[in-house]
Amino acid sequence: GEDVEQSLFLSVREGDSSVINCTYTDSSSTYLYWYKQEPGAGLQLLTYIFSNMDMKQDQRLTVLLNKKDKHLSLRIADTQTGDSAIYFCAERSAGNTPLVFGKGTRLSVIA
Amino acid sequence: DGGITQSPKYLFRKEGQNVTLSCEQNLNHDAMYWYRQDPGQGLRLIYYSQIVNDFQKGDIAEGYSVSREKKESFPLTVTSAQKNPTAFYLCASGSRGDNEQFFGPGTRLTVL
Repeated sequence: GEDVEQSLFLSVREGDSSVINCTYTDSSSTYLYWYKQEPGAGLQLLTYIFSNMDMKQDQRLTVLLNKKDKHLSLRIADTQTGDSAIYFCAERSAGNTPLVFGKGTRLSVIA
Repeated sequence: DGGITQSPKYLFRKEGQNVTLSCEQNLNHDAMYWYRQDPGQGLRLIYYSQIVNDFQKGDIAEGYSVSREKKESFPLTVTSAQKNPTAFYLCASGSRGDNEQFFGPGTRLTVL
């Protein structure tokens, strides 16, 4: 079945760049997503990328997709303490099919 | 003010009782979803509905039931058959045209 894997923890210093990695198994994945969850809250959609793209940039966020290796990464430039949260990678194959989520990466930013 | 609302934010239930969690959206989205989140487990799909009066089981549907009588509403009932219901429940909705899926603020259910 489909599977999405992420490392569980990442710790960075304030001002450095963070890179959160994700791998997926479904070769028919069409859309890949990054969500952010703060404590006790729902998930906030950060960005998503279509599978025919290699890169997408949105302000401090850069998403890289290596479709051959089924590897997705989220880079956060100039990481701030407010970026401390759990980041979820997710994929879907088409249309309104449900997303398949990884277990999330907890990002800790050290001042 | 558009969005997805879930109520209540916190819910306590005695063992053996059924309880219904509310999810409402005013985004005119066709599809709605229920996920369960446990610590360190990520999100697991319970049920989803792509159109009114139709819904499908997700990966962990046992002990849960849903209805989709209106486009705006997708309530989830946690029945007494659910063995370990204490968790954080998240509702989401999405539109076929824009590929995005948005989440509500969640309901934390605790069984006493």
